[in-house]
Amino acid sequence: SSEVTQDPAVSVALGQTVRITCQGDSLRGSYASWYQQRPGQAPVLVIYGKNNRPSGIPDRISGSYAGDTASLIITAAQAEDEADYYCQSRESGSNHVQFGGGTRLTVL
Amino acid sequence: QVQLQESGPGLVKTSETLSLTCTVSGGSIRGYYWNWIRQAPGKGLEWIGYISYSGTTKYSPSLESRVTMSVDRAQISLKLTSVTAADTAVYYCARDKSAVAGWFDPWGQGTLVTVSS
Repeated sequence: SSEVTQDPAVSVALGQTVRITCQGDSLRGSYASWYQQRPGQAPVLVIYGKNNRPSGIPDRISGSYAGDTASLIITAAQAEDEADYYCQSRESGSNHVQFGGGTRLTVL
Repeated sequence: QVQLQESGPGLVKTSETLSLTCTVSGGSIRGYYWNWIRQAPGKGLEWIGYISYSGTTKYSPSLESRVTMSVDRAQISLKLTSVTAADTAVYYCARDKSAVAGWFDPWGQGTLVTVSS
């Protein structure tokens, strides 16, 4: 079965922009969802659909797509953005849910 | 707003059955798909499967032979048979609007289940 892959760790300087990527065949022609998980907490949806944010998610968090890669972009990164980020898609045909392995974001 | 709360034993013996309940409050279960997702200590998220309000299910191929989900009014249940230490994880329930193109929102706070002999 196909998978979606993420870089295990990314760092960004405070106030700078960071891109977290998610790659997989299932992302061609379909959207990923993104979740933020702070230590000891449940995941929280931050991006869904083409580039939609749930209520309460700051507009410096956005999503984009190119081919088989979905990206989560955080501009003007803040200390509170330090967390694990997971992408989620669905396997073509079966619609089984797939999670990426997660990216740990460190804000320096 | 809708809230989800997982509950169940925190300790299960090896080879026995893990049973958890997700209670939905503040909203209806109708029209949604209710998912179970787990996270082993220090690891990533693993989708277990979903059940719709009408009882339609879909399970992860890797767990399908051991998983059963059911729904009763405002509670969604998960049963996982023949557990081993590899099933030790935080178990979350989460709501999804679609079986083909949805997203998980909200999530419950999760409940830790430890499998030990």
